[in-house]
This record gives sequence, structure tokens and C-alpha cells, in this order.
Amino acid sequence: AQSVTQLGSHVSVSEGALVLLRCNYSSSVPPYLFWYVQYPNQGLQLLLKYTTGATLVKGINGFEAEFKKSETSFHLTKPSAHMSDAAEYFCAVSKRGSSNTGKLIFGQGTTLQVKP
Amino acid sequence: NAGVTQTPKFRVLKTGQSMTLLCAQDMNHEYMYWYRQDPGMGLRLIHYSVGEGTTAKGEVPDGYNVSRLKKQNFLLGLESAAPSQTSVYFCASSYSFTGQGTHVSNQPQHFGDGTRLSIL
Repeated sequence: AQSVTQLGSHVSVSEGALVLLRCNYSSSVPPYLFWYVQYPNQGLQLLLKYTTGATLVKGINGFEAEFKKSETSFHLTKPSAHMSDAAEYFCAVSKRGSSNTGKLIFGQGTTLQVKP
Repeated sequence: NAGVTQTPKFRVLKTGQSMTLLCAQDMNHEYMYWYRQDPGMGLRLIHYSVGEGTTAKGEVPDGYNVSRLKKQNFLLGLESAAPSQTSVYFCASSYSFTGQGTHVSNQPQHFGDGTRLSIL
């Protein structure tokens, strides 16, 4: 069965510092990979996704993530944190295959705090 | 374009009461999903639908029922609410065919803003 682990339920960085949020998956076949962001009292928004091709994926708001098959990882990074990046971030996977129903398996979430 | 709209946004129920949460999407998506979000557990799939008139169980279906009589609407029902069902509920929709290679599994899901449900 697929599973997703996000290391660190809370991450705190200073404004302008590097953001690194970790995500590892467990799957016999590399899945499709997603990062979502949730701002307070809102739903989830897609940041970026990896389906195929280039393993470094760029998303919105300056975020990017790199798929590393050998490490079964899909870590999210941003070179310079902004106060507006404070939110909860979810890594999710979806099983490949045309018969799949698109069900997502989510990690536990990581709350990003940005200090001035 | 409203996207995915959930009603109500907040609700407080007493144990044993019933209620229905409504999800409506205007993107002509085929697939719709209901999740619950609990602290430290991410989002867990309750039920989902792959098209009008179809529903299927997800990871945590017990105590919930769903219906999708119209393509744009997906209803989640609690027949007899329990305190363990206190949670934030999210609806999501996905997938319109856009060409060869498009599969629901590689399409993003679009989420509503959630319904915060407390059961006393």
C-alpha cells in the first residue's frame, strides 16, 4: 500500500532563509506526486506536481521540488522565505495507471512558520 | 467562476442528529471526493464518485453516506452524528479530459474551503 511521510510537523525559518519541507513516499511503483498548500481557514491549493519528465518541478510562489527515485523523496524548497509563505503544506501521491480513480494519499502535513 | 463551493461553512450538532453537507462544482469535473482533516493526520478520503450516479468508499467511510444525483453536486450525509466525527470536511473535484495522456490520477484536485463540524 502507498504511504506518505512528511518529516517534521512544524518547521520554523526566518524571513529570507531557505525553506526545505521533506516528503518521502512508499510505493512499489513511483506514483504521481503533489504538493498542496493550505492557508488558514481555506481549502488546499496546488503548488506543483510531478508526473513525468524533468525531475525538478517548478511551482507557484517560487517553490520547487525534486523527484528522487532512488531516495523515494519529493522535497519542497524555496530559496528565500516570505512572511506570506506561512501555511500548512501537504505532500500527496496518486497511483499511476489509467484505471486509477485519482485518489490521493496525503502526508500528515507540515506547518511552516516564518519569523520576521 | 466559483470553483468548488461547500455549504454550510460551520455547524454544531448534538450527538445523534443528522445533517447533509453539500458540495457543488462548476468546472464540469467527472470526479468528486470527500475528505476529513484531523490534526496530525492529514486528509483522509471518506467517499468518492467517478461520475454522476456512482459512489464508492474511501479510507474512512463508516458513519457516512453520499449521493451524486447530478454531476455538479456531491452530498455527504451523517445519519447519526458522533463526537468522533468532529472534523473539518473538504470536498474536491477533478478531471476533465483535455487530450491524449490525460488521466485523473495526474490531474490536480480542486478543493472547497471546508465545513467545520463540531459534534457535542
